Amino acid sequence: EAQVTQNPRYLITVTGKKLTVTCSQNMNHEYMSWYRQDPGLGLRQIYYSMNVEVTDKGDVPEGYKVSRKEKRNFPLILESPSPNQTSLYFCASSLSGRSVYSPLHFGNGTRLTVT
Amino acid sequence: AQKITQTQPGMFVQEKEAVTLDCTYDTSDQSYGLFWYKQPSSGEMIFLIYQGSYDEQNATEGRYSLNFQKARKSANLVISASQLGDSAMYFCAMREATINSGYSTLTFGKGTMLLVSP
Repeated sequence: EAQVTQNPRYLITVTGKKLTVTCSQNMNHEYMSWYRQDPGLGLRQIYYSMNVEVTDKGDVPEGYKVSRKEKRNFPLILESPSPNQTSLYFCASSLSGRSVYSPLHFGNGTRLTVT
Repeated sequence: AQKITQTQPGMFVQEKEAVTLDCTYDTSDQSYGLFWYKQPSSGEMIFLIYQGSYDEQNATEGRYSLNFQKARKSANLVISASQLGDSAMYFCAMREATINSGYSTLTFGKGTMLLVSP
């Protein structure tokens, strides 16, 4: 089944403890991206990747890191999480990062709570 | 100005009836894509349907259809024969090219909460 898989689904952690949210897609998509969703603020893009080894900042990159060593994987790293990073996180992918006609497919989301 | 406007914060519909969720967009580009997503209470974001700016026919996908009126810049989602499982938040989104970049951005509306009653 074609899908974007992100793990874990739920994560509770403490301030300052490094964590990684994994994301993998099996559709051979070039483009991958991370979003966070917060009440009243909607979906905001954190980082995106046009292809392997090509990543760039989105609207809210502070406090996050990403890497794209393989086409299928795009992990999100929080080196020192803080409570303001408590949010619902989505990984997404599309066939192309350039085409406006390419739908974005989302993972199931990761609910992160930082205490 | 907002790129994507969804004026209905909430909508109610009875089971088996049709419902239209409104979406208007703002762009000066000739090439763009319009998308609808469903987010149930469990949180996942599900892609429903897509319309390209040059598509002359309205997109359809099962019980979902997209009423695309280019001159009015509207891309309304029509759900026919509503089911209880259609209760969710629905987001309209637009993808357009970024100036001076090879990358296209996706902008979401604020969403419409649909509640389907028995």
